[in-house]
Amino acid sequence: GAGVSQSPSNKVTEKGKDVELRCDPISGHTALYWYRQSLGQGLEFLIYFQGNSAPDKSGLPSDRFSAERTGGSVSTLTIQRTQQEDSAVYLCASSSFGTGHGYTFGSGTRLTVV
Amino acid sequence: DQQVKQNSPSLSVQEGRISILNCDYTNSMFDYFLWYKKYPAEGPTFLISISSIKDKNEDGRFTVFLNKSAKHLSLHIVPSQPGDSAVYFCAASARRGDDMRFGAGTRLTVKP
Repeated sequence: GAGVSQSPSNKVTEKGKDVELRCDPISGHTALYWYRQSLGQGLEFLIYFQGNSAPDKSGLPSDRFSAERTGGSVSTLTIQRTQQEDSAVYLCASSSFGTGHGYTFGSGTRLTVV
Repeated sequence: DQQVKQNSPSLSVQEGRISILNCDYTNSMFDYFLWYKKYPAEGPTFLISISSIKDKNEDGRFTVFLNKSAKHLSLHIVPSQPGDSAVYFCAASARRGDDMRFGAGTRLTVKP
């Protein structure tokens, strides 16, 4: 597609439920990133996929968070047993390694845990 | 561990004047720096970048300055326009294309 697509754009879930957030990167981009922005905070790195390499999961805040990238394209971020502190905007970005123009971000998924 | 810091959460400037947004970093391995601009309900968009081999990069009204010895960079917008009102994020990586670390952002308001 022309840009990075994220779905859903908004998600309200009850505490304790699992949620899945989806990211469709720009076609051909080998790198895919997940960030989140909590209210009043900056962008917090979560996880990074680059080609067929093992992902860099160093930013995942707990073992309730996981992500996968199927076929080197679409990625799903899963949050199990959601907590209120998980409420944030989850942003996905993709890049073509070495473009020099940084990432292209999606519009994000606003997750609200009630 | 906040490796990229933007110590000013907000900045207000009059239209036509200069806006200066500052960013500091702690990781000496960072050698590629970018600024992103974010409007409400949208993802951040790339604005301008600079690699460590340069100390200045200019693109129209936007100029980024890098002081590696001080681990400091700044974004200058001249002249500022009301449409520049947004949150500006500073980002850094250890190599171009590698995963980036972002600052907390500075909300710029340009008053007409």
